[in-house]
Amino acid sequence: TQLLEQSPQFLSIQEGENLTVYCNSSSVFSSLQWYRQEPGEGPVLLVTVVTGGEVKKLKRLTFQFGDARKDSSLHITAAQPGDTGLYLCAGECLDNFNKFYFGSGTKLNVKP
Amino acid sequence: DTEVTQTPKHLVMGMTNKKSLKCEQHMGHRAMYWYKQKAKKPPELMFVYSYEKLSINESVPSRFSPECPNSSLLNLHLHALQPEDSALYLCASSQDRTSGYYNEQFFGPGTRLTVL
Repeated sequence: TQLLEQSPQFLSIQEGENLTVYCNSSSVFSSLQWYRQEPGEGPVLLVTVVTGGEVKKLKRLTFQFGDARKDSSLHITAAQPGDTGLYLCAGECLDNFNKFYFGSGTKLNVKP
Repeated sequence: DTEVTQTPKHLVMGMTNKKSLKCEQHMGHRAMYWYKQKAKKPPELMFVYSYEKLSINESVPSRFSPECPNSSLLNLHLHALQPEDSALYLCASSQDRTSGYYNEQFFGPGTRLTVL
């Protein structure tokens, strides 16, 4: 059983569509990160959310952190082929310093 | 500067070889990490160093030996690896949470390791 449940695992959509990726847990996190990863490369940090209820925007990407700091979502508006990649959420639990738990990842393919 | 560098980019080694992976960061981070990642899977934690001391070892086989010579450098020494150890090895760094309010990891580009 994974501490962070990420869904969906795969998404294949047309350019211009919207999508949402979810990360859920029963544990409370001190912070939660979202990354995008290309094949054979390291994950690139997109955003860190820290405060319960926080919403952050990065161009067409909107990130939310749940009020109880147990869940998060990533929403992409008008997806583009350049958004294609593996999206990972990762969080550091309140009571476990410097140990990050990863979701299983969402493989997004945006078709032109 | 949020860069973590790793060398080499690619490594091919036989099962009897000894090699080392290197990682460097200059962000003043005091926690450094080694992860192993198989294709289409999330990174798996191997080791965590906090203030140059090993704080987490996720039951990694002894053929992997980490070393943190100083606060900017992290090495992973490899010896007598098996073909199933072939993977992308990722280094990451973060502010140690004992020194701050929250933590975020920055990853290097990885070393693609192939064991023959």
